Amino acid sequence: DAKTTQPTSMDCAEGRAANLPCNHSTISGNEYVYWYRQIHSQGPQYIIHGLKNNETNEMASLIITEDRKSSTLILPHATLRDTAVYYCIVRVAISGNQFYFGTGTSLTVIP
Amino acid sequence: DVKVTQSSRYLVKRTGEKVFLECVQDMDHENMFWYRQDPGLGLRLIYFSYDVKMKEKGDIPEGYSVSREKKERFSLILESASTNQTSMYLCASSLLRGVGETQYFGPGTRLLVL
Repeated sequence: DAKTTQPTSMDCAEGRAANLPCNHSTISGNEYVYWYRQIHSQGPQYIIHGLKNNETNEMASLIITEDRKSSTLILPHATLRDTAVYYCIVRVAISGNQFYFGTGTSLTVIP
Repeated sequence: DVKVTQSSRYLVKRTGEKVFLECVQDMDHENMFWYRQDPGLGLRLIYFSYDVKMKEKGDIPEGYSVSREKKERFSLILESASTNQTSMYLCASSLLRGVGETQYFGPGTRLLVL
């Protein structure tokens, strides 16, 4: 699975949009981009995933560049409960293929 | 909503003890996984299972075994706990399908081996 690069930490003001970038320049055509987050002392929580089109759900939006070498997770109105470590994972969508979590981005939402 | 539950949130055991960590999912998922998470190392896969009575080794199976007697339950066993097995243990499950498979995680068990 391709390697991803994320900033170590970010801050965001409460109520503002949080934009979390991820670089995956070696992504291949059959690899999906997944985003998970982990709030302190809890299990990772699935947020969103996509292949090449932009995706939106009730939690977030995922913007994937046309060349698929990078993506951005957008939390449209960050709340204090969004403070967590966010993981960008690139993964071949084979059933049972494991998820490789790196160190992620620690997002702090500031009141 | 998918629910993955783990038998304990916190566990303290002594070196040499046999330890059982239980995981149950309620969504009829075929795949189940056990990971451990350590600071600076991310999540590492210990074992996974595609079906009842099936198991496959992950990246770090040494010192662990697993059991899957029923589809909804996947147990991780530490045959003789050691201090280097102190960690956060995470169970996950996923539905068997061709593309876009998503893994859902339980809340984790924080194990301390003294």
